[in-house]
Amino acid sequence: DAKTTQPNSMESNEEEPVHLPCNHSTISGTDYIHWYRQLPSQGPEYVIHGLTSNVNNRMASLAIAEDRKSSTLILHRATLRDAAVYYCILRGGIQGAQKLVFGQGTRLTINP
Amino acid sequence: DAGVTQSPTHLIKTRGQHVTLRCSPISGHKSVSWYQQVLGQGPQFIFQYYEKEERGRGNFPDRFSARQFPNYSSELNVNALLLGDSALYLCASSGRTSGVAYEQYFGPGTRLTVT
Repeated sequence: DAKTTQPNSMESNEEEPVHLPCNHSTISGTDYIHWYRQLPSQGPEYVIHGLTSNVNNRMASLAIAEDRKSSTLILHRATLRDAAVYYCILRGGIQGAQKLVFGQGTRLTINP
Repeated sequence: DAGVTQSPTHLIKTRGQHVTLRCSPISGHKSVSWYQQVLGQGPQFIFQYYEKEERGRGNFPDRFSARQFPNYSSELNVNALLLGDSALYLCASSGRTSGVAYEQYFGPGTRLTVT
């Protein structure tokens, strides 16, 4: 399984944008980049995914580097509810087990 | 619609005992996966089931087993419990057996404590 590297923790202020980085230098051409987050005392929650192009949804934006060796999850206007552990995950593009390989993730703290 | 449900919420067992954890997927979802999350770490994949067949297995001992029923609900069984099995056990369902674009929906988990 391809490996991702994320900072252990980040801190930001409410109503400000947050940029969460992820390095995945060994990504293969068929790997999708997925982001999940885990709020306190809850199971992980899907945030967004992408392959090559930048992606936007109601929760966040995903910016993917041109060489795909890194990506950034962008929360445009953080709220206190966004405080969570954010996981960047690579998933192979072939049929098979739908396993998610979680790393340590980034613990995001939002200050009021 | 109800999300993924798991039971029980919390469980305390003694070393050497056996435990059964249960999961009901989102209605219409046919794929169920199990994960173990030890305190302070990310979840680790245990099993995936689709249409009652095992489609994937993580690096866990044979003490761990699972099955899926005709209504797509699933059970995770752990025999001969060890202290190290204390963890949050998460169940996730998906609308597809494969295809990486499909997100997984997680339940709230079962907190297992082994004493």
